[in-house]
Amino acid sequence: DAGITQSPRHKVTETGTPVTLRCHQTENHRYMYWYRQDPGHGLRLIHYSYGVKDTDKGEVSDGYSVSRSKTEDFLLTLESATSSQTSVYFCAIGRTDHEQYFGPGTRLTVT
Amino acid sequence: GDSVTQMEGPVTLSEEAFLTINCTYTATGYPSLFWYVQYPGEGLQLLLKATKADDKGSNKGFEATYRKETTSFHLEKGSVQVSDSAVYFCALRDNDYKLSFGAGTTVTVRA
Repeated sequence: DAGITQSPRHKVTETGTPVTLRCHQTENHRYMYWYRQDPGHGLRLIHYSYGVKDTDKGEVSDGYSVSRSKTEDFLLTLESATSSQTSVYFCAIGRTDHEQYFGPGTRLTVT
Repeated sequence: GDSVTQMEGPVTLSEEAFLTINCTYTATGYPSLFWYVQYPGEGLQLLLKATKADDKGSNKGFEATYRKETTSFHLEKGSVQVSDSAVYFCALRDNDYKLSFGAGTTVTVRA
C-alpha cells in the first residue's frame, strides 16, 4: 500500500444528509485527489488539492466540497447527499514523480 | 478535452491465452499514459506507464507501447493466468497532472 487510508470504508446514508469522507496519507505528498467510480465511466475526478488550503475542481465537482487543513488529510463532503452520489469513492496521492497511488476506496450508498 | 477510449468488455479467456486490450486517446500536448489494474474489492494499482512516444511500459508480463502516430496504448500479455482476472483501466495524465480514465475492461481468466 502507498500509505493511504480512507474512512469510513462503507457508509449508508439517507438522501439530504451531509456526509464527510476522509483520506489520510502518511507520506507527506503535496498532491491529493478524490475520484468516484461508476460502471461504464471508469474513474472521474471530483476535486484535487495541490497543497494545504489549495484545492481545485475536477470533472464532476457539483454537489461536492473539499477541505485540506493539513498535509496528511483531504476531506470530501457531500453537503446534502443524493441518490446519484451513490458510488465508490477513491482517494489518491500524487508522488514526487506525479504518479498517482490509490487508497482502498469508500463504498457510499445513499437511500 | 482529453479523453480515453478502451475496448468494452467483459473479456473471458482461458489460461495461457493471449490478452490484448485496446486503448486510444485524444489529448492536446504530450500526455503520459498508464495502465491501472483493479482486483476484486481493492483499489487501483499502477500496472505500467509510458511517458513519451515509442516508450514501452512493462510489468508482470504485461506490455504496452506508446504509439503517437495512432494515439494508442494497447495492453498485451502473452499467457494469462487466473490471477490476472481483474478490471483494467487505461489512463492519460495531462500537463496539470490530472488523470483521465477509460471506462475499464473486465477480464476473466478461466482455468
